[in-house]
Amino acid sequence: GDSVTQMEGPVTLSEEAFLTINCTYTATGYPSLFWYVQYPGEGLQLLLKATKADDKGSNKGFEATYRKETTSFHLEKGSVQVSDSAVYFCALRSISSSASKIIFGSGTRLSIRP
Amino acid sequence: GAVVSQHPSWVICKSGTSVKIECRSLDFQATTMFWYRQFPKQSLMLMATSNEGSKATYEQGVEKDKFLINHASLTLSTLTVTSAHPEDSSFYICSARGVGSGAEAFFGQGTRLTVV
Repeated sequence: GDSVTQMEGPVTLSEEAFLTINCTYTATGYPSLFWYVQYPGEGLQLLLKATKADDKGSNKGFEATYRKETTSFHLEKGSVQVSDSAVYFCALRSISSSASKIIFGSGTRLSIRP
Repeated sequence: GAVVSQHPSWVICKSGTSVKIECRSLDFQATTMFWYRQFPKQSLMLMATSNEGSKATYEQGVEKDKFLINHASLTLSTLTVTSAHPEDSSFYICSARGVGSGAEAFFGQGTRLTVV
């Protein structure tokens, strides 16, 4: 079945460092891909998304490119801030199900030191 | 973006009792709602998918008689954990999606359930 594998955390970086969180997926066809962020004690918020190959999603300085050839959707940010500390989930929306359910990766906890 | 509200945000209950969690879409009609469970430091596991006015579809391994889901209107779905036990303690999150297969899903803030 469809699945998402992402880089295990926790990841700890200094402020203004470059961030990469790896994400790869297994799916039939061309799923939509997402990154969600979960701040402490809160629910999930959509960070960015891409719906077809070579699309680049971007938001709040974060970017991810839908790579069909490598089945990847790595999250990047050029200069992280303390406020970026959160758990990040890579996800896909399966097209094989009529309900279009979202399947999540295991999450990566990011901590940014001042 | 659209707002999905969950209530309560946290609840403590005694073993053997039932707990109801509400999920409301505040500014859009949610034709489909999803219920997830999240264990500490783990990912979200989909429990069930519900469409307004019809029975929920449960994922493999989820007890439908224990986790009762009702989606009676386009703005409200409820999850009832029946005869709760300590192993049911978890973070439950709902997600609501509007009309159309390409519609975005929005998430509630989650409900932390502790069974003592």
